[in-house]
Amino acid sequence: GAVVSQHPSRVICKSGTSVKIECRSLDFQATTMFWYRQFPKKSLMLMATSNEGSKATYEQGVEKDKFLINHASLTLSTLTVTSAHPEDSSFYICSARLQGGGETQYFGPGTRLLVL
Amino acid sequence: GESVGLHLPTLSVQEGDNSIINCAYSNSASDYFIWYKQESGKGPQFIIDIRSNMDKRQGQRVTVLLNKTVKHLSLQIAATQPGDSAVYFCAGASGAGSYQLTFGKGTKLSVIP
Repeated sequence: GAVVSQHPSRVICKSGTSVKIECRSLDFQATTMFWYRQFPKKSLMLMATSNEGSKATYEQGVEKDKFLINHASLTLSTLTVTSAHPEDSSFYICSARLQGGGETQYFGPGTRLLVL
Repeated sequence: GESVGLHLPTLSVQEGDNSIINCAYSNSASDYFIWYKQESGKGPQFIIDIRSNMDKRQGQRVTVLLNKTVKHLSLQIAATQPGDSAVYFCAGASGAGSYQLTFGKGTKLSVIP
């Protein structure tokens, strides 16, 4: 149980284009989803907290117009990297918290983004 | 804010031996901790968690110990196997309605066959 999927797993795009990453909770409903960014050999950095039906809460230093988050249902959240640049290349990971559950977050497999 | 850090960035263990990975935290209000395992190119995988009203919790081949006095927790892996090779992160939540986790830097565990 508590399986989270991400799509795509890898994406290569040209500079200036936008990329959408989907995060789905497959066997549970997630009131809250989280988006993280991870650089090579580094820890996870929280970008934003996404609650179903409301605006995402962004961490300090994360541009909300750059990283658009939509949490339209209890099983789907999307992260759109707009006008991507090479410095946006990274490993993006989402996690989900069970509806009515505690603090445990279940993570997706991650999306490797490479911007050329 | 809370910070959660690890004492050692790398750990090499002989197959079959026990592994101990340590983690320190600074926020005394932290009341929930999780250990995650992350293999290369994959997302973190939940291993075991513990609440601050406990000092020990056991799972399959894993044990988490929590010492609130010195704000320290550890992950013990019994009979370490090659499949245990990964980066291990501790994460903590400060409660009070916050569901955000703060992650430590991670320890890379390498199992020597």
